[in-house]
Amino acid sequence: GAVVSQHPSWVICKSGTSVKIECRSLDFQATTMFWYRQFPKQSLMLMATSNEGSKATYEQGVEKDKFLINHASLTLSTLTVTSAHPEDSSFYICSASEGSRTNTEAFFGQGTRLTVV
Amino acid sequence: SQQGEEDPQALSIQEGENATMNCSYKTSINNLQWYRQNSGRGLVHLILIRSNEREKHSGRLRVTLDTSKKSSSLLITASRAADTASYFCATSPRGNNQGGKLIFGQGTELSVKP
Repeated sequence: GAVVSQHPSWVICKSGTSVKIECRSLDFQATTMFWYRQFPKQSLMLMATSNEGSKATYEQGVEKDKFLINHASLTLSTLTVTSAHPEDSSFYICSASEGSRTNTEAFFGQGTRLTVV
Repeated sequence: SQQGEEDPQALSIQEGENATMNCSYKTSINNLQWYRQNSGRGLVHLILIRSNEREKHSGRLRVTLDTSKKSSSLLITASRAADTASYFCATSPRGNNQGGKLIFGQGTELSVKP
């Protein structure tokens, strides 16, 4: 299958700072990327959908000013957690798909574990 | 919430036994997918079943889909200790023009004891 690389795999930051997470599709062009968050012992919750060259679409309850998403190219989307707080500590995982066809498989990155201290 | 439900939430079996996990969802779908996640790690795609399919096999995995009941099941036969992981179903909502968008179920934590 296609490869999606997420970086960093883990990060520890101080409260109040911002953290950027990168999601790259290595061997295909990802017109759409998705960002999910997973708290311990819970499922993945879709945060936002990122389309290349346009503004991200956020799910209800997700603050767009806190979770900045940029999808500047067909192979890279970034999620910036701004002014991070301990409650933002979570596992963030991205996925990417090649197009908008139905039954398009999404390929997942390996995830980023964020700890805010 | 659009999230689906899975049951059981946790399942503990002996090696060699079969494990069955169930998933229910709320909206019409294009397809349903099953993923595996080892503790603290990324997702591994197991199988995708389309809305017009009723059953699919892949090795020791068997997935069924009943769109009238909005439910699916994942059967792992002859389980191994290495199958210990969390298993999630995920649906691709119909009418979604963003291929790859998934809504995840709550997951089943499977423990296979040697």
